[in-house]
Amino acid sequence: AQSVAQPEDQVNVAEGNPLTVKCTYSVSGNPYLFWYVQYPNRGLQFLLKYITGDNLVKGSYGFEAEFNKSQTSFHLKKPSALVSDSALYFCAVAGGGNKLTFGTGTQLKVEL
Amino acid sequence: KAGVTQTPRYLIKTRGQQVTLSCSPISGHRSVSWYQQTPGQGLQFLFEYFSETQRNKGNFPGRFSGRQFSNSRSEMNVSTLELGDSALYLCASSLRGGSTNTGELFFGEGSRLTVL
Repeated sequence: AQSVAQPEDQVNVAEGNPLTVKCTYSVSGNPYLFWYVQYPNRGLQFLLKYITGDNLVKGSYGFEAEFNKSQTSFHLKKPSALVSDSALYFCAVAGGGNKLTFGTGTQLKVEL
Repeated sequence: KAGVTQTPRYLIKTRGQQVTLSCSPISGHRSVSWYQQTPGQGLQFLFEYFSETQRNKGNFPGRFSGRQFSNSRSEMNVSTLELGDSALYLCASSLRGGSTNTGELFFGEGSRLTVL
């Protein structure tokens, strides 16, 4: 069975600084990996995905993620954080069709 | 283009009752998935429907059921409600379903169920 782990419940970063939200995965076979973001009292919004190809994936709102097969990681990054990036971020792996297995989420707080 | 619409947004029920939640996918999307979100268990997959057929099912008891109509709209039902069923129920749609999809989902804002 596939799984993802998000080791940090919360990440704090100052506006303008780079941010990283960590994710590691465990799958058999090739991983299909995703990042989603959730704002308060809202549904999830798709940010980016890795299916195959380049290890650096670019997504929405200036976010990118780096796939590292040897470390089984898929960390979310942004060069310069904004206060408006404050939200709950979920890493997920696809397990066939639209069945996604989500991590526990990381609360990102960007402060002025 | 309208997004995924879920109704009702909020509801309160008592133990033992049943509830039906509705989801209208994005126009043209044929796959609808349901997820339960709770503080303790996080996001958990309930089931997926494509072309009125259940394609995938999570590890939930039989009290949780769903269906999809010919217009791709979907409903999920929870019978004999328990306190632990209190959660945000999220519906997600995608253009394709099953093995042809790569997991990019469009989520609604959810139906928040409180069981007293």
